[in-house]
This record gives sequence, C-alpha cells and structure tokens, in this order.
Amino acid sequence: AQSVTQLGSHVSVSEGALVLLRCNYSSSVPPYLFWYVQYPNQGLQLLLKYTSAATLVKGINGFEAEFKKSETSFHLTKPSAHMSDAAEYFCAVTRMDSSYKLIFGSGTRLLVRP
Amino acid sequence: DSGVTQTPKHLITATGQRVTLRCSPRSGDLSVYWYQQSLDQGLQFLIQYYNGEERAKGNILERFSAQQFPDLHSELNLSSLELGDSALYFCASSVAGGTGGDTQYFGPGTRLTVL
Repeated sequence: AQSVTQLGSHVSVSEGALVLLRCNYSSSVPPYLFWYVQYPNQGLQLLLKYTSAATLVKGINGFEAEFKKSETSFHLTKPSAHMSDAAEYFCAVTRMDSSYKLIFGSGTRLLVRP
Repeated sequence: DSGVTQTPKHLITATGQRVTLRCSPRSGDLSVYWYQQSLDQGLQFLIQYYNGEERAKGNILERFSAQQFPDLHSELNLSSLELGDSALYFCASSVAGGTGGDTQYFGPGTRLTVL
C-alpha cells in the first residue's frame, strides 16, 4: 500500500529564508509524486509533479523538489520565502501503473514571518 | 482558476437530509474525481468517473453515490447526513483515465455543514 508522511504540521520561516517542507513516501511500485498548495478558502493548486523524467523538478512560484529514491523522499524547497507563500502544502503519491487515486499526506501549514 | 467549477460553494443542512453537489470538469477532461477533506481524516479519495463510467472507488460510504452525465459534469449525492459528514468536498478533473501521472485539477470545493 502507498502512503505519504509529511513531517511537521506547521513550519514557520522568516521572509527571505529558505523554505523546506518534508515529504517521505512509501510505495511498492514506482510512484508519481505531487506537491499541491492550498490557500485559505481555495482549492488545491498543483505546484509540481515527479513522473520519472528528472529527479529535480521545478514548479511554479520558485518551488522545486528532488526525488531521492534511496531516501524515499520528495522534499519541497524554495530559496527565499515570500509572505504570499503562506498556505497549506500537501504532498501526494499515486501509482505509476494505475494513478487514478491521489494519496495525500496530512499537510504542512507554512507560516511566513515578516 | 483551474477551470473546474463546483456548486454550491457552501451548503448548510440538517442531519438526515440529502444533498447534491455538482461539478463541471475542465473543458476536454474526461475524468472526474471526488475527494473529502475533513479535520480528522484529511484529504480522502472517494470515487472516480471516466467518460460516464465508474472507474475507481475509495472510502466512499454507502450513503454516498455519484454519477457522471453525458456532458461530463458530475454529481455527488450524500444522503442520511450525519454530523460527521461535515467537510469540504472537492472535485478534480484530468484529461484521461488516470494513467501516466495525469495531473488532477481541483475545483474550489463545496463546504458542507451538517447541523
């Protein structure tokens, strides 16, 4: 069975600081991995996805994530946080052989301090 | 704006009642997915339809049902509502049937409150 673990339900950073949101996955088959962002009172927006083409994936708004098979991780980073990055971030996994269902982590709320 | 629309935005109803949530996928997308987001369960996959047919089922209660119509819009029916059904219900759509890492585009959600 597949699962996703997001370490840290809340992460607080200063504006301009590095953002690091952690995601570890468990999958018996090669996975597809996604990061979504949810702003208050809005739906989920795709930040980036890993589909095995490249281990370093660049997304929107300056975010990127690196797929590390040996560590079963797919951490999300951004070099410099902006106030507008404050939101909830979800890591999700799906099967490469039947990716109908996204399995989400519990989410990490990012707080950006001025 | 993802291109996925959901109505209504908010719904307040009483226990025991039945409600219908509606979703219109992005133009050209054939698959519709329903997810439930609650504080205790997080984001959970409920069901997927592809081109009018049920493709996959998740942890969907028997009191809940869905369908996808010929114009590809979908409805999620929730009946005999309980307090615990209060949640945010998302619809998502993708181009194909859910293979090859299709990106799922999410609508803004319907917030259901059961009193």
